[in-house]
Amino acid sequence: SQQGEEDPQALSIQEGENATMNCSYKTSINNLQWYRQNSGRGLVHLILIRSNEREKHSGRLRVTLDTSKKSSSLLITASRAADTASYFCATERVTSGSRLTFGEGTQLTVNP
Amino acid sequence: DAGVIQSPRHEVTEMGQEVTLRCKPISGHDYLFWYRQTMMRGLELLIYFNNNVPIDDSGMPEDRFSAKMPNASFSTLKIQPSEPRDSAVYFCASSSSTGPESFGSGTRLTVV
Repeated sequence: SQQGEEDPQALSIQEGENATMNCSYKTSINNLQWYRQNSGRGLVHLILIRSNEREKHSGRLRVTLDTSKKSSSLLITASRAADTASYFCATERVTSGSRLTFGEGTQLTVNP
Repeated sequence: DAGVIQSPRHEVTEMGQEVTLRCKPISGHDYLFWYRQTMMRGLELLIYFNNNVPIDDSGMPEDRFSAKMPNASFSTLKIQPSEPRDSAVYFCASSSSTGPESFGSGTRLTVV
């Protein structure tokens, strides 16, 4: 089964609004990463947060990590139509070396 | 940096035929991953290599699938014989030991 589970599966918002996506996982991790996938394209790495970090920012992205709850959230502020994509969380488990386990993704639609 | 290069972008083949997917990782990356993405199963790790050596092939569905990495700049994923249920998008990704994974644009395989 997937290590990461994203919530919600689909999210539709208006341009300018904030979008929040959540990810839960099951086992201890070294880090958690968020990736974006535009339709018909490969995944693009957005941000990595290590297990000893609680929050990280990159431009309009804010990621939080709560290892006690085994959960993470990705916040995109002031969304744009170009942010429309699928967003995946991926965990590097303590026991898995350099392998990532991906969740099923959240499909974000930003309406202009 | 050209990124991870996969070929072909699209492949349509008849059931029973041999299919070979190709990948050129980013120069200097010592990890290479093969994934398969379908609507039903999401993104699945098939196999990964470290310094050209296969480390974990537990995700390879069955003996019809094989992967090789003869040198640091080239890898192949072969399916022989192909079946309709192999239809999916196959991604190759590479990374350094400390960096995130960089994905290619994928090969969309259709087996009819």
